Amino acid sequence: GPKVLQIPSHQIIDMGQMVTLNCDPVSNHLYFYWYKQILGQQMEFLVNFYNGKVMEKSKLFKDQFSVERPDGSYFTLKIQPTALEDSAVYFCASSLRRNTLYFGEGSRLIVV
Amino acid sequence: QQQVRQSPQSLTVWEGGTTVLTCSYEDSTFNYFPWYQQFPGEGPALLISILSVSDKKEDGRFTTFFNKREKKLSLHIIDSQPGDSATYFCAARRTGGNNKLTFGQGTVLSVIP
Repeated sequence: GPKVLQIPSHQIIDMGQMVTLNCDPVSNHLYFYWYKQILGQQMEFLVNFYNGKVMEKSKLFKDQFSVERPDGSYFTLKIQPTALEDSAVYFCASSLRRNTLYFGEGSRLIVV
Repeated sequence: QQQVRQSPQSLTVWEGGTTVLTCSYEDSTFNYFPWYQQFPGEGPALLISILSVSDKKEDGRFTTFFNKREKKLSLHIIDSQPGDSATYFCAARRTGGNNKLTFGQGTVLSVIP
């Protein structure tokens, strides 16, 4: 099926540093999403993005978070500065329209 | 407050048996309910989905049932196989929303040969 690629798969970072998580969505998809999953818990919606703009963000999408997709390249989630509670697996997803979401394999972030 | 509640948290069944997972929700504006399957180290993948205008959808060994009055849905897996061992998430989406999915807590299924 359609593949969403995420880079890096794992990252350990010192608290306070900046991290950028990259997502290569399915090539013709127009809608992009980030979800956060803490170990053993459900995935929680962070933000969705369409036509260069954030459509909706949750209360988990703190001021330290930002997303962009410059010139149709990677869809990125940037956290600056990172905090201990940001440790989680971050899943990127994309969809062609407002329909089926295709998820990547996740980027495991550990903030120490 | 959990908007989508899923049970059980974990489940073990014998190969060949029937697996039943359930979810309940509160928000009556939810109208689309996908089930995702997630293997360790992988992202969730859509397994089957149902719209609120239907009460049943079947795809091979997988069937999802929807009860609008009780705000409940379930996933049945017949002839469960060891390869079905994974975490299963139900999710829900609102009418007219931004395609945002709200997920349940997940059920870890183990199928024993």
